[in-house]
Amino acid sequence: DGGITQSPKYLFRKEGQNVTLSCEQNLNHDAMYWYRQDPGQGLRLIYYSQIVNDFQKGDIAEGYSVSREKKESFPLTVTSAQKNPTAFYLCASSPTSGYNNEQFFGPGTRLTVL
Amino acid sequence: QQQVKQSPQSLIVQKGGISIINCAYENTAFDYFPWYQQFPGKGPALLIAIRPDVSEKKEGRFTISFNKSAKQFSLHIMDSQPGDSATYFCAASKYGNKLVFGAGTILRVKS
Repeated sequence: DGGITQSPKYLFRKEGQNVTLSCEQNLNHDAMYWYRQDPGQGLRLIYYSQIVNDFQKGDIAEGYSVSREKKESFPLTVTSAQKNPTAFYLCASSPTSGYNNEQFFGPGTRLTVL
Repeated sequence: QQQVKQSPQSLIVQKGGISIINCAYENTAFDYFPWYQQFPGKGPALLIAIRPDVSEKKEGRFTISFNKSAKQFSLHIMDSQPGDSATYFCAASKYGNKLVFGAGTILRVKS
């Protein structure tokens, strides 16, 4: 069963805590992405990675960190520096970041800060 | 900043009617224009995509119309059904670069 898995589905965090969101894909895709979704604002890119051990900041990287130690895994850490972390987080992957780069999305993680 | 502007923000259509969602872009270097469909609590999924060398692409009840000179493209859903109720995102990219998404349109089809 190929696809992208994200865990957990729901996550609650106290203020001042760091949390890590998991994203795994078995599609053998090179590129992976993290988006944040807020009502009425579409999908905003946090970080992306085109190859193992390399990643680039997206439009809203402040307060977030990532790693890409394995091709199939791209975890996102939401740090205490992120001022408003409550949102729906989506992970995606694509065969390549070049032409016709259809992105396949995971089911998302809803993070709530208490 | 590269932007894709999407309208309307929300749309209510009667069952059997035509749903139309519009997007406008600024960067003339964009050469790939996909539409994604997202159901509540789920990740978006690719619905249909077009390149600027054609003015229209149809897949079943879904059609993309593309106007290169106006830098606009739109999604038409013919014979809209309650199961089409979802959020729709347009997006754009240029070769070798990441997608830029519109803000989304919440479609509700009334039965």
